Amino acid sequence: KNEVEQSPQNLTAQEGEFITINCSYSVGISALHWLQQHPGGGIVSLFMLSSGKKKHGRLIATINIQEKHSSLHITASHPRDSAVYICAVSASNDMRFGAGTRLTVKP
Amino acid sequence: EAGVAQSPRYKIIEKRQSVAFWCNPISGHATLYWYQQILGQGPKLLIQFQNNGVVDDSQLPKDRFSAERLKGVDSTLKIQPAKLEDSAVYLCASTWAFTDTQYFGPGTRLTVL
Repeated sequence: KNEVEQSPQNLTAQEGEFITINCSYSVGISALHWLQQHPGGGIVSLFMLSSGKKKHGRLIATINIQEKHSSLHITASHPRDSAVYICAVSASNDMRFGAGTRLTVKP
Repeated sequence: EAGVAQSPRYKIIEKRQSVAFWCNPISGHATLYWYQQILGQGPKLLIQFQNNGVVDDSQLPKDRFSAERLKGVDSTLKIQPAKLEDSAVYLCASTWAFTDTQYFGPGTRLTVL
């Protein structure tokens, strides 16, 4: 079993829909990261959080340390949000990554 | 602020050949990471440097992979000899300190034929 599990693996939505991507982890962490990777592009860090909730524009990230679970929400989704979203956790001197969620938002 | 630079962006080699990748982190970032991302998977940490010292190289296949950051600034990752399963995107990232947000470079896409 991977230390970082994401769901769903693939997600297709219509423009305007509210989107949720989930991440569960099984190790103790110092922080959790949400990353965005566009096709052929590099990785962009969206959030780093260790508790509670963060918001940036239409993106919201939450984390529940007790349940070892985090969610990334996208409100009013847009085709330009289409990308792979990766959950990663920082533990000791290491980072572990989920396999990613491929999001496609159709106009 | 300039981002993390990597070169080349793409490389195609035959198996058993050697290849080297270069990374220039954001100025002042002490911590540098090399990741391997195989198609359809999340990145896997290969090696982490703090200045010019190695913090973690537990997942680096040391029989064929090597990396250095001699002056604590830019870094090179080498594969010698390459295998088919080394085909992947090699990502470099840097941070001020381990717990900070990582800034990723555009990656080098390696294809081994």
